Amino acid sequence: GAVVSQHPSRVICKSGTSVKIECRSLDFQATTMFWYRQFPKKSLMLMATSNEGSKATYEQGVEKDKFLINHASLTLSTLTVTSAHPEDSSFYICSAASGSLNTGELFFGEGSRLTVL
Amino acid sequence: AQSVTQPDIHITVSEGASLELRCNYSYGATPYLFWYVQSPGQGLQLLLKYFSGDTLVQGIKGFEAEFKRSQSSFNLRKPSVHWSDAAEYFCAVGGSSASKIIFGSGTRLSIRP
Repeated sequence: GAVVSQHPSRVICKSGTSVKIECRSLDFQATTMFWYRQFPKKSLMLMATSNEGSKATYEQGVEKDKFLINHASLTLSTLTVTSAHPEDSSFYICSAASGSLNTGELFFGEGSRLTVL
Repeated sequence: AQSVTQPDIHITVSEGASLELRCNYSYGATPYLFWYVQSPGQGLQLLLKYFSGDTLVQGIKGFEAEFKRSQSSFNLRKPSVHWSDAAEYFCAVGGSSASKIIFGSGTRLSIRP
């Protein structure tokens, strides 16, 4: 089946530093990837949609200069949280869609828990 | 605009009892509907999905859901719950393939021994 892997699964950083989270589709080509953020005991909020080779489309209220998304290849998208602050602490989940699989569903990574001290 | 409503924040049922989790959606076209389950600190697992065809869909772990267009609902059911079913359940709606998925607020399921 389709597998999406995220790395790291957990990261702790100091306030003011930048953190990069990777999302990889392991056995299919992901033309589109989505980044979600989940606050404790809350639902998943869509942050942005990234298409390979083009700029990401951010949802309303999401700071594109703070959450940099790069989708440089058909198997890799990265989310960089720049100048992280404690309020950026959250669970970040990526998902990938594949036209070739044509199942209409998204495949989710395991999530990355960011803690900013 | 698409949206998903899960009216029940938290439900507790006894082990072995039946379960129904409610989901209502708003979508301008024919929706793709999903139910996901999330255990604490974990990612999402797809339970089942509806794209077209038979409105009663079967999923993994004994779950099923019924799409009712007239009620804009996609309720999740299980005839007999197990203690391992305790988790957070999310209903979601999306469009065609590679379209973004919007999630409901989730329903936390607790199982009473």
